[in-house]
Amino acid sequence: SAVISQKPSRDICQRGTSLTIQCQVDSQVTMMFWYRQQPGQSLTLIATANQGSEATYESGFVIDKFPISRPNLTFSTLTVSNMSPEDSSIYLCSVGDGRGTEAFFGQGTRLTVV
Amino acid sequence: AQSVSQHNHHVILSEAASLELGCNYSYGGTVNLFWYVQYPGQHLQLLLKYFSGDPLVKGIKGFEAEFIKSKFSFNLRKPSVQWSDTAEYFCAVNAPPSWGKLQFGAGTQVVVTP
Repeated sequence: SAVISQKPSRDICQRGTSLTIQCQVDSQVTMMFWYRQQPGQSLTLIATANQGSEATYESGFVIDKFPISRPNLTFSTLTVSNMSPEDSSIYLCSVGDGRGTEAFFGQGTRLTVV
Repeated sequence: AQSVSQHNHHVILSEAASLELGCNYSYGGTVNLFWYVQYPGQHLQLLLKYFSGDPLVKGIKGFEAEFIKSKFSFNLRKPSVQWSDTAEYFCAVNAPPSWGKLQFGAGTQVVVTP
């Protein structure tokens, strides 16, 4: 199994600012993902963080709003840019194996934009 | 479009009652299937998963799920629930070629009354 640490665990931010969320894994992993869980909603995949190349974004999510870094096989960051109250969500980092039989989640970052 | 459907959005039942939550998916071919639980204020926790073998899968906390390929279903069951099973339950699926990218159902909020 993989142990995933996310920082910060929660934050309250002013609209128009940006927040960078860090995800650290205790082992090297090929695949890292970022999800969003809006209040009362299910999880939606934002993007796949690729090591050594640009992230791959899902429909409805763009790099300018959610820039992602993946400098190595154990670390990734997600930035929520120019925040508005609609960005208030839980953001989760996830890792998996290449066969899709494992999927581990961090504890999430609860973001409130005021 | 591929989808994951959870039939019940909100379930209320008494302690010791049996629980069954439905999950259907629209993917063709090979899939991996997961059930996650999210207790109030806590992060996602894996209950069980299926990727091959015996279609009746046993998980933690007395939960089990049955994969019925012909019905594209992966229903979650527990014979006798406890108050501590109050939580939100999510079904999730991944499939080739995007192994690791989970698509989640909308979730089912389960409330167990004493």
